[in-house]
Amino acid sequence: DGGITQSPKYLFRKEGQNVTLSCEQNLNHDAMYWYRQDPGQGLRLIYYSQIVNDFQKGDIAEGYSVSREKKESFPLTVTSAQKNPTAFYLCASSMTGQVNSGANVLTFGAGSRLTVL
Amino acid sequence: AQSVTQLGSHVSVSEGALVLLRCNYSSSVPPYLFWYVQYPNQGLQLLLKYTSAATLVKGINGFEAEFKKSETSFHLTKPSAHMSDAAEYFCAVGSSNTGKLIFGQGTTLQVKP
Repeated sequence: DGGITQSPKYLFRKEGQNVTLSCEQNLNHDAMYWYRQDPGQGLRLIYYSQIVNDFQKGDIAEGYSVSREKKESFPLTVTSAQKNPTAFYLCASSMTGQVNSGANVLTFGAGSRLTVL
Repeated sequence: AQSVTQLGSHVSVSEGALVLLRCNYSSSVPPYLFWYVQYPNQGLQLLLKYTSAATLVKGINGFEAEFKKSETSFHLTKPSAHMSDAAEYFCAVGSSNTGKLIFGQGTTLQVKP
């Protein structure tokens, strides 16, 4: 079955460490996204990529970095510069990045929960 | 800029009662609107989407939503709640400028026996 795989599901980090969250999709989708979810704040967009080798900052990109070297993969690195990294991170993909096409329905992974100790 | 507001962070209904989750949007162009559901510690799943084909949109699990341009609303309803409907529900609007989805704050639905 096609879908999105996020790993690890749970991750603990010490302050000052960088961590990388994995996101892999086998849906042949062009666009991929990273969201951060905090209680009562909904989902906030960190980074998104509409095509391989290209990505754009979302609303809360500070302290995060991404790469898009392959269509299937969009890893997110939470750097030590992120002041409050404890959160639930969701990766998503869509057929295209063009919402006007009506095809921009997001498929989500199961999420990764990061806790800073 | 486009935005979406969900009225009520928590809604509690009895099993078998009507479910009504409210969503209002702001958009200067015809919007694309979505409802997603999230069960605990999982990702989001699409319930339904509005793409201007019809104002009443039917989704999965018996949910539907009506697009009302005059009220800038896209409320989610279900005639009879089931215990399995307990989850968090998110309304989202598609940004025509960037292709991004903008999510509301979410509404947690509690279903009481």
